[in-house]
Order: sequence, then structure tokens, then C-alpha cells
Amino acid sequence: AQSVAQPEDQVNVAEGNPLTVKCTYSVSGNPYLFWYVQYPNRGLQFLLKYITGDNLVKGSYGFEAEFNKSQTSFHLKKPSALVSDSALYFCAVRGLGGYQKVTFGTGTKLQVIP
Amino acid sequence: DAGITQSPRHKVTETGTPVTLRCHQTENHRYMYWYRQDPGHGLRLIHYSYGVKDTDKGEVSDGYSVSRSKTEDFLLTLESATSSQTSVYFCAISVQAGGGNEQFFGPGTRLTVL
Repeated sequence: AQSVAQPEDQVNVAEGNPLTVKCTYSVSGNPYLFWYVQYPNRGLQFLLKYITGDNLVKGSYGFEAEFNKSQTSFHLKKPSALVSDSALYFCAVRGLGGYQKVTFGTGTKLQVIP
Repeated sequence: DAGITQSPRHKVTETGTPVTLRCHQTENHRYMYWYRQDPGHGLRLIHYSYGVKDTDKGEVSDGYSVSRSKTEDFLLTLESATSSQTSVYFCAISVQAGGGNEQFFGPGTRLTVL
């Protein structure tokens, strides 16, 4: 069975500092990996995904994520945090082959402090 | 929200009452999904559809049924609501079912079962 772990319920970072939101996964074979963001009272919005190729993936709003196969990780990063980045972030994984459901992590609340 | 609407946006009901939630999309995507979001659980798949009248169960389908009589509408029914079904429900669509295809989410329905 596939799974996703987001070890931190909340991450606090000062505005202007780099941020990292951690994600590790478990899946058979090569994964498809996703990051979504959720603002209060809104649905999830797609940020970025890893399918294959370059391990560093760039996405919306200046976010990027690094795929590390040996560590089975897909951490979300941003060089300089904004207060407006404060939101709930979800990592998700899908395995290969036919229809494979997406498994979401439990989410990490990012708080950017002015 | 990628042309996805959900109705109602908020509902309070009593235990044992039937409830139907509606998801409507304007872009004729084939694949539609219903998730529930609960603290500590992330998003969990209830049911999904891969075409008109084609549906299948997700990981938490007990107590829920779905119908899809038109491409644009995907209905989720709680036959007899229970307090454990108090949750936020999200509808999502994707261009294709598998692979590296991200999902697009509606704004959610907050359901409270008293």
C-alpha cells in the first residue's frame, strides 16, 4: 500500500527566510508526486508535480520541490517566504499502472511570521 | 476553482436524514472524485467516476453512494447521515485518471450531522 508522511503538523518561518516543508513517501515502483496548497475555506490548489526527469521541480508562486529517490522524499521549498504563503500544504503520491488512487498526506500548516 | 462548483456549501442536518451533495463541472472532464477532509487524516477518497454511469469505490465508501447521469454532474448521497460523516467534502476532476495528471478541486461543502 502506498503512503505519504508529512512529519510536521506546523512549520513557522520568518518572512524573507527560506522555507522547507517535508514529505516522504512509500509506493511500489516509481512514483508520481504532487504538492497542493489550501487556503482557508478553499479547495486544494495544485502547486507542482514530479513525473520523471530533473529532480528539482519548479511550480507556482516561486515554490520548488526536490525529488530524492534514495531517501524517498519530496520536500517543498521556497528561497524567500512571504506572509501570503501561510496556508495548509499537502503532499500526495500516485503509483504507476492503470488507475491508481492518489494518497494524500495529513497536511502541514505553514505560518510565515512578519 | 477550475470551473467546479459544489452545492450546498454548508449544510447542517440530523442523524438518520438523507443528504445529497452536488458537484458540477463546466469543462466536460471524464474523471471526477469525491473526497472527505478530516483533521489528522488529510484527504480520503470516497468514490470516483470515470464516465457517465461509471463509478467505483474509494477507501472510505461505506455509508455513501454516488451517481453520474450527466458528464457535468457527480452526486454524493449519504443515505442515512451519521455524526461520523461530519466533515468537509471536496469534489475534484482530472483530465485523465492515472499518470502524472493533477487534480482540480471544488470549493468544498461543510457538512455537520447533529
